[in-house]
Amino acid sequence: KQEVTQIPAALSVPEGENLVLNCSFTDSAIYNLQWFRQDPGKGLTSLLLIQSSQREQTSGRLNASLDKSSGRSTLYIAASQPGDSATYLCAVVDQAGTALIFGKGTTLSVSS
Amino acid sequence: DAGITQSPRHKVTETGTPVTLRCHQTENHRYMYWYRQDPGHGLRLIHYSYGVKDTDKGEVSDGYSVSRSKTEDFLLTLESATSSQTSVYFCAISEMGATEAFFGQGTRLTVV
Repeated sequence: KQEVTQIPAALSVPEGENLVLNCSFTDSAIYNLQWFRQDPGKGLTSLLLIQSSQREQTSGRLNASLDKSSGRSTLYIAASQPGDSATYLCAVVDQAGTALIFGKGTTLSVSS
Repeated sequence: DAGITQSPRHKVTETGTPVTLRCHQTENHRYMYWYRQDPGHGLRLIHYSYGVKDTDKGEVSDGYSVSRSKTEDFLLTLESATSSQTSVYFCAISEMGATEAFFGQGTRLTVV
């Protein structure tokens, strides 16, 4: 059974820092990996989708990498801002290619 | 933003009563999903649909049923609500099973 783990569960940084969020998964046979952002009381916003054949994806200050063989992905946030404060969720599409399996998220707090 | 509407957004109901949550999409995506989000458990798949009248169970399907009579609508029914079904319910869509997923704003359900 696929399991997704995100470490750390919470992270506090001062504004301007570059930071890395980690995601690991137990079964390397994934179709893709997706990073989401969730603000308190809100839905999930898709940030980046990495297909299994890709190594990384970039969107603005965000860069996500994927190493299938080691079962890891990282989300790099450059020059963090208070507006980046949210919970970041990592999810993989399972072997059947039907649904996302989620980690429990990393809650990020960026102070000004 | 993907055109996904969940209704109602908030609901309080009594134990033993039936409850139906609705997810409506305007994207004509084939796949639709129902997840629940609980502290300590993260997001877990309840049921999903891969086409009109085509549905399958997820990880936590006991006590829930679904129906999809039109491409745009996916209904989640709690036949007899229990306190353990108090949760935030999210609908998601994707064009195909392994493509980018988009989420609705969620329905907060409280069973008293």
